[in-house]
Order: sequence, then C-alpha cells, then structure tokens
Amino acid sequence: DVKVTQSSRYLVKRTGEKVFLECVQDMDHENMFWYRQDPGLGLRLIYFSYDVKMKEKGDIPEGYSVSREKKERFSLILESASTNQTSMYLCASSPTSGVFYEQYFGPGTRLTVT
Amino acid sequence: RKEVEQDPGPFNVPEGATVAFNCTYSNSASQSFFWYRQDCRKEPKLLMSVYSSGNEDGRFTAQLNRASQYISLLIRDSKLSDSATYLCVVNTASSNTGKLIFGQGTTLQVKP
Repeated sequence: DVKVTQSSRYLVKRTGEKVFLECVQDMDHENMFWYRQDPGLGLRLIYFSYDVKMKEKGDIPEGYSVSREKKERFSLILESASTNQTSMYLCASSPTSGVFYEQYFGPGTRLTVT
Repeated sequence: RKEVEQDPGPFNVPEGATVAFNCTYSNSASQSFFWYRQDCRKEPKLLMSVYSSGNEDGRFTAQLNRASQYISLLIRDSKLSDSATYLCVVNTASSNTGKLIFGQGTTLQVKP
C-alpha cells in the first residue's frame, strides 16, 4: 500500500520565520509534488520534482523553494513566511511508468502564519 | 479559460438518488483522466481512472467524450457516505513528468 507521510498535520509559525515542510514516500516513485489548497481556488501546484536534485516550478512558486536530496524525500521551504502563505499544503507522489500517472497524496499540513 | 472546469455545486440530493457531474478540459492533447474524491479536511484520493470506452465501478460510472472534451461521473443509488468533493483531474500531456491539473471540485451532499 502506497504511503506518503508529511512531517506535521498542523503548524503555526510567525511572519518572517523560515519554515520546512517534509514529505516522504515509500513506493520508490520518481515524481513528487507540492500543492497548496485554498477555499475557492482548488489545488495549485507550487513545485514538482521528477528525479533526485531535479525540480521544476509549478504555477505559484513565488516565496517557496524545494529540496530533493533523496528519492523518497521532498521538502518545501518557505524562506520568510508571510500571512498569505497560510494554507493547507499537500504533498503527492507518482510513478513515471505506465500512462496514467496516478498521484498519491499525504494527509496534508495545515499551516497558519501569524 | 481554466484548463479544467467543474460546477462547484453544492449538489444536494436525497439518499438513493442518481447524480451526475460534468467536467470540461481545454487541452485536446490530454491523455489521462481521473476522478478523485476528497472528504472534508482530508487529502484527495483516487476514485477512478476514466477510460475512452467508459468504465464502471459498482455504483460509479465514468465517461469520456474526447470530441467535446468533457468527462462525466455518474453516481447511482447515492449513500450518505458519498458526501464529499469530487475533483476532475487531467494530465497535461505536454511532458511525461506526471503533472496533473485539478479542477476546483464539485461538492455533493447526500441527505437522509
């Protein structure tokens, strides 16, 4: 059974803090993704990675960076947290084999920046 | 125009009703299509993939119309437990990186 875990379910940080969100998958998937989900806006892609040390910007990368040093781990970094980054953050992974690219999601981290 | 569009609802239906959701997508080269289900405050989970010939899984039927670029999900004999948000999902087709585009979701409330 595919498992994607995220380091925290709930996180409260102050404006200006550096924030690390960690994601680990156990299925040897090549692709990993970070999304944020906000009411009325749906899921928006922040960054994704298709291989170790490889990354590509998604639709809303501003204010975020990522790190993928190992295949199973994909980190999202908020360099200087701001209140407009308060959101639900979801990590996902998927294989590159096959056609359908089903994505498996972690449980999410609800981040509040005060 | 959004790449994937859905009616956000909510759809309020009684138990036992049949309900259908539609979704349109803009990229005619898209190859992979899915319906995901997301319960309140939970992560999205794959409900079913959508195949060109249409496919059925119990009370759920998914259809794809490539000519009109829309996908549908039909739920028969609705249960209270079907209450959730249903996300229409399409791959970008422009690369093989597995990038998916998610619709905003359609909310279903099944009432007793």
